[in-house]
Amino acid sequence: SQQGEEDPQALSIQEGENATMNCSYKTSINNLQWYRQNSGRGLVHLILIRSNEREKHSGRLRVTLDTSKKSSSLLITASRAADTASYFCATVFNYKLTFGKGTLLTVNP
Amino acid sequence: GAVVSQHPSWVICKSGTSVKIECRSLDFQATTMFWYRQFPKQSLMLMATSNEGSKATYEQGVEKDKFLINHASLTLSTLTVTSAHPEDSSFYICSARDQGGIDEQFFGPGTRLTVL
Repeated sequence: SQQGEEDPQALSIQEGENATMNCSYKTSINNLQWYRQNSGRGLVHLILIRSNEREKHSGRLRVTLDTSKKSSSLLITASRAADTASYFCATVFNYKLTFGKGTLLTVNP
Repeated sequence: GAVVSQHPSWVICKSGTSVKIECRSLDFQATTMFWYRQFPKQSLMLMATSNEGSKATYEQGVEKDKFLINHASLTLSTLTVTSAHPEDSSFYICSARDQGGIDEQFFGPGTRLTVL
C-alpha cells in the first residue's frame, strides 16, 4: 500500500531557482530514498538517507529526514531545465520499497 | 554501476493472450527482485517480491494466477501476464537487490504493455 505522500503534486519553477519537495510517511522505516523518473522511463536512484541520519548531500541535492515527524524533504538547488521530471520518495522497511505519489517538477528555461 | 535490463521494452498484444517480461541483472547477482506496476501519472505499486529458487510473495490484491513470476536464476526473473485484458495495460518495472546486501535497489527501464 502507498504510504508516502509527496507535496506538492506539481511544481513549476524557473531555471536557476531552488525546488523543494516534501514527503510524509506513516510507518517505521530502515531508510528513505528519492528517485527521479522522466516521462515513460525507468527510475533513477538519487539519494538514500538512513533512519539515523538527519541530512545528506549529493551534488545539487540535499535531503533531510525527520523521523519524529515522519517526513523528508528533497531540495534541488540551482535547477536546470534537464531536472524536469517526476520525483518520488520511497520508504524502505525490510528491503521492501513503498513509493509515494510523486511530485511533477517542471523547470522552465 | 549495477545495471538491470528488461525485455521487451514495449509490447502490444491481443486480449486473451499471455505476455512474458524478462528482468535481468547484468553485472551482479540478485537473490531478490521486485515487480512493480505503474498506471499513467500514478506512482509505482509493488506487485510481488521474487526470490530466487522459491515462490514469489504477492502483495494484497494481486492475483498470483494472473501474474506468474519465476525467478529461476540469480540474474533472471520473469513476469508472465496470463490471459491479458485491456485493464492490464500498464508500465511494468522490475528492480533487483544486490546480493551483497546494500540497501539500494536497481531498477530496470520498464516495459510498456498495451492490451488491445
